[in-house]
Amino acid sequence: SAVISQKPSRDICQRGTSLTIQCQVDSQVTMMFWYRQQPGQSLTLIATANQGSEATYESGFVIDKFPISRPNLTFSTLTVSNMSPEDSSIYLCSVVGVPASYGYTFGSGTRLTVV
Amino acid sequence: AQSVTQLDSQVPVFEEAPVELRCNYSSSVSVYLFWYVQYPNQGLQLLLKYLSGSTLVKGINGFEAEFNKSQTSFHLRKPSVHISDTAEYFCAVSRGSGDKLTFGTGTRLAVRP
Repeated sequence: SAVISQKPSRDICQRGTSLTIQCQVDSQVTMMFWYRQQPGQSLTLIATANQGSEATYESGFVIDKFPISRPNLTFSTLTVSNMSPEDSSIYLCSVVGVPASYGYTFGSGTRLTVV
Repeated sequence: AQSVTQLDSQVPVFEEAPVELRCNYSSSVSVYLFWYVQYPNQGLQLLLKYLSGSTLVKGINGFEAEFNKSQTSFHLRKPSVHISDTAEYFCAVSRGSGDKLTFGTGTRLAVRP
């Protein structure tokens, strides 16, 4: 299965600032996803990162708040913009292998605290 | 759209006892089903998955799950748990072919000595 490198692993940020999270995969993958895990909660999909086109956002998430880039088949970034304490969460990158039956792999996550 | 229900938010069990974590799903199409484990302050690790074929799926760490289409369930079982199995367990579903994963709310397994 694919190996994901996600950076940074954790950060403490001031409210009103932005943080960009990087997800690097060691092989070309078709689908890349960004999830949020709020404290003590399950994972919620933010968006699907599409290579060469705009990301597809889930209900409740908007591009202005969570802009995503995916310049190629091995790399994606998620930016958390104009942060507030409510954005304090773990953000995870996930990929689907080729073929998809190989399953979904998750990065180790970025633990974000907004103060 | 698909959805996943994990009715038990927490399951306490004594060490070496058997355990079953329940998962029910809802979908109008065929699905892939997954169980993930998340140890404290760690990332997600795949325990097992059902894609097709045999309905009894064996995973890592002695876990297994059975796909029951008529009951739309995918319960996770282990015949004898260890203290080290204490973690959060998530059931997830996708429609396959690289579709997004939808997660249940999770079940915290607390193994007591």
